[in-house]
Amino acid sequence: EAQVTQNPRYLITVTGKKLTVTCSQNMNHEYMSWYRQDPGLGLRQIYYSMNVEVTDKGDVPEGYKVSRKEKRNFPLILESPSPNQTSLYFCASSIVSGDGYTFGSGTRLTVV
Amino acid sequence: AQTVTQSQPEMSVQEAETVTLSCTYDTSENNYYLFWYKQPPSRQMILVIRQEAYKQQNATENRFSVNFQKAAKSFSLKISDSQLGDTAMYFCAFMNGLYSGYALNFGKGTSLLVTP
Repeated sequence: EAQVTQNPRYLITVTGKKLTVTCSQNMNHEYMSWYRQDPGLGLRQIYYSMNVEVTDKGDVPEGYKVSRKEKRNFPLILESPSPNQTSLYFCASSIVSGDGYTFGSGTRLTVV
Repeated sequence: AQTVTQSQPEMSVQEAETVTLSCTYDTSENNYYLFWYKQPPSRQMILVIRQEAYKQQNATENRFSVNFQKAAKSFSLKISDSQLGDTAMYFCAFMNGLYSGYALNFGKGTSLLVTP
């Protein structure tokens, strides 16, 4: 089944403790992206990647890192999480076109 | 970033009725893509329908159709014969293509409740 897999689905952590949210897609998509969703704000792009070793900032990149060493994987790293990063995070992928994204199931992150 | 505006934070419709969700956007580009995504309580983001700006014909997917008015920069979603399973948050989204990094810019969403 074609899908984008995110893990974990839920995570509660403490301020300052480094964490990684994994994202993997099995559709050979070139394009991958991370979004965060907050009430009343919709979805905002954090980082994106057009292909292996090619990443760039989205609208809200502060406090986040990404890497794209393999085409299928695009992890999101929070080196020192803070409470304002409490959010619902989505990974998405697509071919490089206007077909729209396939989204993962989301990761609910709580930083206390 | 491009601006996408959904002016209706919440809407309600009775089962079997028709409802229209509004979306306007702002761009100076001529070629772009527009989407409606559905987010049910399961929080999964599901693509409902897409429209290419260079195509004048409005997109249709079963009970879902759009009214795309390019000059007015309007992209409304019509849901016919509403079903209880249509209860969800609906997001309008805009994509400018290669030069914007294929970023999807989302509106803030419209919460749709379908009642029996």
